[in-house]
Amino acid sequence: DSGVTQTPKHLITATGQRVTLRCSPRSGDLSVYWYQQSLDQGLQFLIQYYNGEERAKGNILERFSAQQFPDLHSELNLSSLELGDSALYFCASSVAGINTEAFFGQGTRLTVV
Amino acid sequence: AQTVTQSQPEMSVQEAETVTLSCTYDTSESDYYLFWYKQPPSRQMILVIRQEAYKQQNATENRFSVNFQKAAKSFSLKISDSQLGDAAMYFCAYRSPRYGGSQGNLIFGKGTKLSVKP
Repeated sequence: DSGVTQTPKHLITATGQRVTLRCSPRSGDLSVYWYQQSLDQGLQFLIQYYNGEERAKGNILERFSAQQFPDLHSELNLSSLELGDSALYFCASSVAGINTEAFFGQGTRLTVV
Repeated sequence: AQTVTQSQPEMSVQEAETVTLSCTYDTSESDYYLFWYKQPPSRQMILVIRQEAYKQQNATENRFSVNFQKAAKSFSLKISDSQLGDAAMYFCAYRSPRYGGSQGNLIFGKGTKLSVKP
């Protein structure tokens, strides 16, 4: 158990819908990262938050957004879902995000039908 | 932009034998971090080993060790005395020490699927 909790574990939804993925980082970790793992694109970095502020942005679509709350949990919002958004979404956390390891949650499997 | 390449989509090893997974990367930075992550069928991403680029000594964690060749930009993972539980996808990852843009996050290779034969 990495200490990073992601909910839900599985999510099935229809095209055009909106979903929210939740991540609780390890106790004491200030940085949260979101990654998307798909068969064709592999593991792609989406976005990072550090202590409530957006710190870095990767290949995140405009239809996707995220935030980190004062209690440090984070949510990834995916809207106007398309079939191609089906993937495994990982959250990872680290203490400071620079030279420390990132610990991953078990991921949320999103299936868009 | 940094890239990570794993040229072996699949590898197979006999139980108790040794296997080496290859990883190369491209960067213009002199200071960075390299990682190997394991992803078993449970999907959990598990950190196997890390290497700081400024350290010349190769990292070792029990049966796992790396061969870090900075000049060649190579970072291979050696698994000794392979066990059935080592069967998984293995991802090589690069991290820049700097923030800004997409730096500071992990950049992953495509992965190598390791099978362990009993």
